[in-house]
Amino acid sequence: KAGVTQTPRYLIKTRGQQVTLSCSPISGHRSVSWYQQTPGQGLQFLFEYFSETQRNKGNFPGRFSGRQFSNSRSEMNVSTLELGDSALYLCASRDRTANYGYTFGSGTRLTVV
Amino acid sequence: TQLLEQSPQFLSIQEGENLTVYCNSSSVFSSLQWYRQEPGEGPVLLVTVVTGGEVKKLKRLTFQFGDARKDSSLHITAAQPGDTGLYLCAGTNTGNQFYFGTGTSLTVIP
Repeated sequence: KAGVTQTPRYLIKTRGQQVTLSCSPISGHRSVSWYQQTPGQGLQFLFEYFSETQRNKGNFPGRFSGRQFSNSRSEMNVSTLELGDSALYLCASRDRTANYGYTFGSGTRLTVV
Repeated sequence: TQLLEQSPQFLSIQEGENLTVYCNSSSVFSSLQWYRQEPGEGPVLLVTVVTGGEVKKLKRLTFQFGDARKDSSLHITAAQPGDTGLYLCAGTNTGNQFYFGTGTSLTVIP
């Protein structure tokens, strides 16, 4: 089974620009979640999608948005980038209930300059 | 908010030593998971415990879920440099929501 694939792995953007990150979950996993990870704040939940519907949302500004397609692939978008958005963005998919845990992708390292 | 506090935050030990990492909360969880993350990569699931008092062993790693399902511990015997990484606990509730701990950064010195 292929793992969770995130693209791109690395990205450098300028303040004020927007960015789109992509995630392909494990085949058969319908739930996809996004997290932001920084050294100071740890792993922060952004949102979860299940069958193309956003089920849960973390405490992030509206500049952060996402969507899920019918094949369960997901994208997240950050508009009007700020320096503080520099982080490792992780996508995770899961099967059935949360007790089975997440499978994470390798992440997208976003640097805003 | 269902907070999970991990201790210690940082740990640096010599190869061959034993260590224990703690994950504590005032909330009850349906399950508790442990992940290990290496630099530049995503976390990898090590184990899931679901029953209060449950103990699971994975080679030199022993995981325990507290009787009240509010806390957990991870014990590593005879640590090796390959154990180096960030250890994260995560609790889940009946709504399938995840709550990640603050993380423990472990360095094992050869």
